[in-house]
Amino acid sequence: AQSVAQPEDQVNVAEGNPLTVKCTYSVSGNPYLFWYVQYPNRGLQFLLKYITGDNLVKGSYGFEAEFNKSQTSFHLKKPSALVSDSALYFCAVRVSSGGYNKLIFGAGTRLAVHP
Amino acid sequence: GAVVSQHPSRVICKSGTSVKIECRSLDFQATTMFWYRQFPKQSLMLMATSNEGSKATYEQGVEKDKFLINHASLTLSTLTVTSAHPEDSSFYICSGVRESVNGYTFGSGTRLTVV
Repeated sequence: AQSVAQPEDQVNVAEGNPLTVKCTYSVSGNPYLFWYVQYPNRGLQFLLKYITGDNLVKGSYGFEAEFNKSQTSFHLKKPSALVSDSALYFCAVRVSSGGYNKLIFGAGTRLAVHP
Repeated sequence: GAVVSQHPSRVICKSGTSVKIECRSLDFQATTMFWYRQFPKQSLMLMATSNEGSKATYEQGVEKDKFLINHASLTLSTLTVTSAHPEDSSFYICSGVRESVNGYTFGSGTRLTVV
């Protein structure tokens, strides 16, 4: 079955330190991978996506993610965390089903950045 | 960038009544829209795929007679929760698709509370 996993419920990091939010996937064929961020009672904001090409993808707000095919991972990273980065982060993979290309989401990881 | 407008942001209704949630793609044509449901501190669960001019496709376990979806134009999809019950209380989010750029744009969500 095609799926995406986020092994950490929560990640805690001090402001100014680098952060990593982990994501692994299981899909058939070439994966299309996405990261979104959600603030309380809000929809999802797009951060970045990997479709093809460079394994290191740069996105919004200083975030980047590295696609690793051998480890089937797509971890989200940022060199220096901000308190305002505290939010819920979702990794997603595009799957084809019933004639449509749908996004399937991981369970989400809550990022808490402490001053 | 692409914007999806979702209304209302919050709604409280009485048990047994129906509630309509609207999603509009403001600057692009969304032939396909996805509807998700999110329980507190949980991930997004895909409910159905809405396609302009045809019947919606529902995920397994989702009652199509309870969650009526209409996609009457290329910019508007609606979700109607019929005969709402307290267990229908949740956060509902729509997503418009731009296949040409693998873009999935989310609405800001609707918090439904059934009392």
